Amino acid sequence: SAVISQKPSRDICQRGTSLTIQCQVDSQVTMMFWYRQQPGQSLTLIATANQGSEATYESGFVIDKFPISRPNLTFSTLTVSNMSPEDSSIYLCSVPGDEGGGPGELFFGEGSRLTVL
Amino acid sequence: AQKVTQVQTEISVVEKEDVTLDCVYETRDTTYYLFWYKQPPSGELVFLIRRNSFDEQNEISGRYSWNFQKSTSSFNFTITASQVVDSAVYFCALSDHSTGTASKLTFGTGTRLQVTL
Repeated sequence: SAVISQKPSRDICQRGTSLTIQCQVDSQVTMMFWYRQQPGQSLTLIATANQGSEATYESGFVIDKFPISRPNLTFSTLTVSNMSPEDSSIYLCSVPGDEGGGPGELFFGEGSRLTVL
Repeated sequence: AQKVTQVQTEISVVEKEDVTLDCVYETRDTTYYLFWYKQPPSGELVFLIRRNSFDEQNEISGRYSWNFQKSTSSFNFTITASQVVDSAVYFCALSDHSTGTASKLTFGTGTRLQVTL
């Protein structure tokens, strides 16, 4: 299993500012995923972050709004830019449990709860 | 397009009651995986089970059991003799192979289970 640490665990931000969320994994992984969970809603995949290449964004999410870095195989950051109240969500980092081929379970961090005023 | 439907938004039971959480999915893939995750109040998602589309055997793990029926595209989750610690939001999820990344998941909207004494 993988242990995933996210920082910050929660934050309150002002409209128009940006916040960077960090995700640290205790083992090397090829893929890392960033999900968003809006209040009372399900999880929506924002992007897939592979080390050494540009992140792949899902429909409705763009790099200018959610820039992602993946400097090595154990770390990634997600920035929420020019925040508005609609960005208030839990942002979760996850990694696959099985790097050998078929999907293993996903391991999730505890999430970063973001409130935008 | 993939879709996961959890029609029960919230369920309340008294401790020791059995409870079934329903999950219906849609996919055009012939090979896919289904998952259940638990999200306790702490926020971290906890993997419970993975089932591939070729294995329709029901599975039991302690008080948990899963009924996978391909004919009805359902993957229901039963907790027997529920306990207060089972109180959480439970998500059903489906793997998306459209991009070749089998670890990309589509989540249902979740079912909040409240177990009281």
